[in-house]
Amino acid sequence: EAGVAQSPRYKIIEKRQSVAFWCNPISGHATLYWYQQILGQGPKLLIQFQNNGVVDDSQLPKDRFSAERLKGVDSTLKIQPAKLEDSAVYLCASSLDYQLAEFYEQYFGPGTRLTVT
Amino acid sequence: RKEVEQDPGPFNVPEGATVAFNCTYSNSASQSFFWYRQDCRKEPKLLMSVYSSGNEDGRFTAQLNRASQYISLLIRDSKLSDSATYLCVVTFLTGGFKTIFGAGTRLFVKA
Repeated sequence: EAGVAQSPRYKIIEKRQSVAFWCNPISGHATLYWYQQILGQGPKLLIQFQNNGVVDDSQLPKDRFSAERLKGVDSTLKIQPAKLEDSAVYLCASSLDYQLAEFYEQYFGPGTRLTVT
Repeated sequence: RKEVEQDPGPFNVPEGATVAFNCTYSNSASQSFFWYRQDCRKEPKLLMSVYSSGNEDGRFTAQLNRASQYISLLIRDSKLSDSATYLCVVTFLTGGFKTIFGAGTRLFVKA
C-alpha cells in the first residue's frame, strides 16, 4: 500500500516570500491533517479535513496560512508571507475516518522541511 | 498547564534495561490515546494504541489510567534500535475535535 506522499521534501525561502506544500494521502482515507513540527517539539495540528470539509482549523494562523482539499483527495498548504518563525517541518497525515475510533490511527508522510531566512 | 505533558528526557539506558515513560493529559473527556515513535529526522509512526484494559505488543506495554489521567509506555529488554523519540497522542472529542501531541520523550539506548 502506498503511503502518504508529500512534496517538496525541502524548501528554503526568504522571509516575506510565499511557499506551497502538497500532500497526497493514502487512497481511501477520508481524513487529512497538516501539522507543524518545530525542532524539539511535538507536531502541532494546523488543520484537519474530513473529505473536502474543514473539521478543525483553530490553530491555523489564518492571516498567513491557507489550506485546501478541493476534491477530497490531495491537499495544499500555503504560507504567504513567510516569517522566520515558520521554519519547521510540515507533516501531512491521513486516517480512514476520524469519527471511528478504531480507525483513528494516523499515517504520516515524510514531511517538508522549511527554512525561512 | 499543557493539555498533554510527557516525562522530560532524555532517558539514557543500557541495552537490556527496562524503561517507562509517562504522559498526563488534562481533559477528562479525552477519547483515544496512542504512542507514536519518531526517529531522528523522520516522520512519526504509530507504535501502539492504548486501550482501557491495557495492551502489550512484544516488549512494549501500554497502560491507561483514566482516573489519574495518564498513560504509560513500558519497554522491556531495551535494544539499540529502540533509540528514538516517543510521542504521546491524545484526542479530545468535546468542544470541537482536537488532536494533541506531547512534546516527546527522547530515549537513548547504549551498548
